Amino acid sequence: EVQLVESGGGLVQPGGSLRLSCAASGFTFSDHYMDWVRQAPGKGLEWVGRTRMKANSYTTEYAASVKGRFTISRDDSKNSLYLQMNSLKTEDTAVYFCARDRGGSFSEIDYWGQGTLVTVSS
Amino acid sequence: DIQMTQSPSSLSASVGDRVTITCRASQGISNYLAWFQQKPGKAPKSLIYAASSLQSGVPSKFSGSGSGTDFTLTISSLQPEDFATYYCQQYKSYPLTFGGGTKVEIK
Repeated sequence: EVQLVESGGGLVQPGGSLRLSCAASGFTFSDHYMDWVRQAPGKGLEWVGRTRMKANSYTTEYAASVKGRFTISRDDSKNSLYLQMNSLKTEDTAVYFCARDRGGSFSEIDYWGQGTLVTVSS
Repeated sequence: DIQMTQSPSSLSASVGDRVTITCRASQGISNYLAWFQQKPGKAPKSLIYAASSLQSGVPSKFSGSGSGTDFTLTISSLQPEDFATYYCQQYKSYPLTFGGGTKVEIK
């Protein structure tokens, strides 16, 4: 059974940093692109970014709203995905979901984690 | 960026109704279109990929169609467990983008 479990959320002040983790199990983590998607309170889904596989040099893509502030990384040896969030703004307050892509290029999300809440407030 | 526009933003329907939700892309995306279902306080669930292919385990009452810029999600006979918010997403080009969502409520 595919499982994605996020952790690391919490309350942080504007301008601060936070690192989210996503522990994956039930599949060969290294064979999949992985995404982060967020949802502000009462709002819709917003794609945050993606990391590709080792075969693609672990390259990443980001939404314009987080580019330069957020960094996605992965550790295939630990079956883990990470989201380093710096220079946080109040508008980054959201539930952050880790998500698995079914395959490689032009691949859609097929599994989601339960999410972790990040609150940016003074 | 490719804009995804869903309509309606909300609808009221009865158990047993056939429901259709529309998603329009601001430019052609071939069939790189996915649909997700989300219930309050829960993670989204993947329903459909490649515009019309069901994810594993998704009941056949859900169906998708379309190509290019216009897509639809149809629920053939609405059941109580189907009341939720539905989102489309294009994965043709970066940044990946979601529609604004369609909330399906009980009439």
